[in-house]
Amino acid sequence: DAGVIQSPRHEVTEMGQEVTLRCKPISGHDYLFWYRQTMMRGLELLIYFNNNVPIDDSGMPEDRFSAKMPNASFSTLKIQPSEPRDSAVYFCASSFLPGKDGNTIYFGEGSWLTVV
Amino acid sequence: RKEVEQDPGPFNVPEGATVAFNCTYSNSASQSFFWYRQDCRKEPKLLMSVYSSGNEDGRFTAQLNRASQYISLLIRDSKLSDSATYLCVVNRVNYGGSQGNLIFGKGTKLSVKP
Repeated sequence: DAGVIQSPRHEVTEMGQEVTLRCKPISGHDYLFWYRQTMMRGLELLIYFNNNVPIDDSGMPEDRFSAKMPNASFSTLKIQPSEPRDSAVYFCASSFLPGKDGNTIYFGEGSWLTVV
Repeated sequence: RKEVEQDPGPFNVPEGATVAFNCTYSNSASQSFFWYRQDCRKEPKLLMSVYSSGNEDGRFTAQLNRASQYISLLIRDSKLSDSATYLCVVNRVNYGGSQGNLIFGKGTKLSVKP
């Protein structure tokens, strides 16, 4: 079975440029999550969707970050303009209702972003 | 108090040793608990769920103590391949009691040496 698919796997960009990260969740999952991981802060939830609707975006650091889910099989996380402090690994994950009946979430391989 | 707290380690142990990690959580209404494993430069992957009665999966044993609000992971007969970071995961229960998303601890790093 295909897992969560993310692209690009690696991106190096210059400060001020727009970055778009893409995610295809596991088919049938109705929850999609965007996480960011850094050494200092660990794994932080940025935003999550249920049935394509954003439920909680309180983790989005600032207005430079935006996320969309136009359909059940695709989501994007956009950073515009990017800054060096945005350098991190961005993980997309999907699941059924997390926690219910022991449901857990499944991660993609991550997008490694470096902003110089 | 952080929602999920773990000792970052590193825990450096010899092959064959038994090692235990603890994790504390702040929300007494949390209902679901997991341990994830993350290898260097890889995504986190589910290691095991943690059930109220405790559960075992081969060399791995997970325990839940609701009264003290901590969960533990015990690894017996450590292998070199167990070297990784172990993340404690707790579901965040939203206001009103509905189950929300999963909150990850920062992880405990384990290094198993020959």
